[in-house]
Amino acid sequence: ETGVTQSPTHLIKTRGQQVTLRCSSQSGHNTVSWYQQALGQGPQFIFQYYREEENGRGNFPPRFSGLQFPNYSSELNVNALELDDSALYLCASSGGQRVEGYTFGSGTRLTVV
Amino acid sequence: GESVGLHLPTLSVQEGDNSIINCAYSNSASDYFIWYKQESGKGPQFIIDIRSNMDKRQGQRVTVLLNKTVKHLSLQIAATQPGDSAVYFCAENRPGGSYIPTFGRGTSLIVHP
Repeated sequence: ETGVTQSPTHLIKTRGQQVTLRCSSQSGHNTVSWYQQALGQGPQFIFQYYREEENGRGNFPPRFSGLQFPNYSSELNVNALELDDSALYLCASSGGQRVEGYTFGSGTRLTVV
Repeated sequence: GESVGLHLPTLSVQEGDNSIINCAYSNSASDYFIWYKQESGKGPQFIIDIRSNMDKRQGQRVTVLLNKTVKHLSLQIAATQPGDSAVYFCAENRPGGSYIPTFGRGTSLIVHP
């Protein structure tokens, strides 16, 4: 059973650019959630996808968008990057819409310069 | 060693001591609580959970206590080891719809050999 894998592990972008982060969910999991974790803070919920539909969204602007594919992998897209978008982006997968069994990936460290 | 208050960012203990990490949660309607451990460069890892109809749950070397009256959670780690050094987050899950854990700020636990 493979865990949650995220790519890339590190990324540097320039302010104003766009970025796509990827997440492969754990085998058997059909729900993917994305979190932003700023340095020294707890993860903040961005949105969740369940069976390819957005299933909840946190307090993030529309330039944060996502997709879930038929194989339940997911992408997080961020447009018009700002310096404050620099953070660790975490993906978590789970089976169904239950938080038990939430499994996190190791994250993508995004630096915006 | 015992944390001296809520939201203490760092807790330092000696190897072999018992550690207590405290957390205040915000929503009295939250029905499920989880403790996560996050090591440097990794995503949060599930430690133990508790439902709101319980006030104590024990795992291997860890115990979670829930006091709903004051909206307080604690994580007790027995015989703390250097490998326990990490940031610990409590997360609450609010009822109604999808299961999306909301994270607190976290406490850094440092275990000295």
